[in-house]
Amino acid sequence: SAVISQKPSRDICQRGTSLTIQCQVDSQVTMMFWYRQQPGQSLTLIATANQGSEATYESGFVIDKFPISRPNLTFSTLTVSNMSPEDSSIYLCSVSWTETQYFGPGTRLLVL
Amino acid sequence: DAKTTQPPSMDCAEGRAANLPCNHSTISGNEYVYWYRQIHSQGPQYIIHGLKNNETNEMASLIITEDRKSSTLILPHATLRDTAVYYCIVRVYNTDKLIFGTGTRLQVFP
Repeated sequence: SAVISQKPSRDICQRGTSLTIQCQVDSQVTMMFWYRQQPGQSLTLIATANQGSEATYESGFVIDKFPISRPNLTFSTLTVSNMSPEDSSIYLCSVSWTETQYFGPGTRLLVL
Repeated sequence: DAKTTQPPSMDCAEGRAANLPCNHSTISGNEYVYWYRQIHSQGPQYIIHGLKNNETNEMASLIITEDRKSSTLILPHATLRDTAVYYCIVRVYNTDKLIFGTGTRLQVFP
């Protein structure tokens, strides 16, 4: 299986600021995904990030709010911009590897 | 996208088999069924997946009905550490996208 790490593991941020979350995988993968999990809720897909192309966003998510970078086959970042308390969530990245998606441990974000 | 329906919660005694049902009546012929679990807000953990045949691995068994409209995840000997939210997901055709539903919260009790 693919091993995925995320940084930071958790953070507390002030409203109006931005936070960049890093996702690193130990293998080269084509497709990476970013999810959000709001408190007590299931996971919601934010976007799909393929190396060498623009990220594809799901309905309700826009690039200005959640810009994504995918500079190589093992790394991606998600930025949560101009944060408000409603952005308090767990943000998870995942990778597609041999017909299966593997998830990182998540980044717990609290916005005050 | 094919949707899944799961009971919101289930209980199971430790050592007994846990049978978690899932309905996916709108699944297409080439869409896979995946099962994941999430323990205490950790990242979801892959369990098993299948297309039409029953599947078994070291963690669980997956039984898919012949018409593919429903499936059951079986944990043969549940332990306290199996307490988690279990998600049944139909992978979107021709993509690797997984669309999560609300899942089943399984509580294993002593």
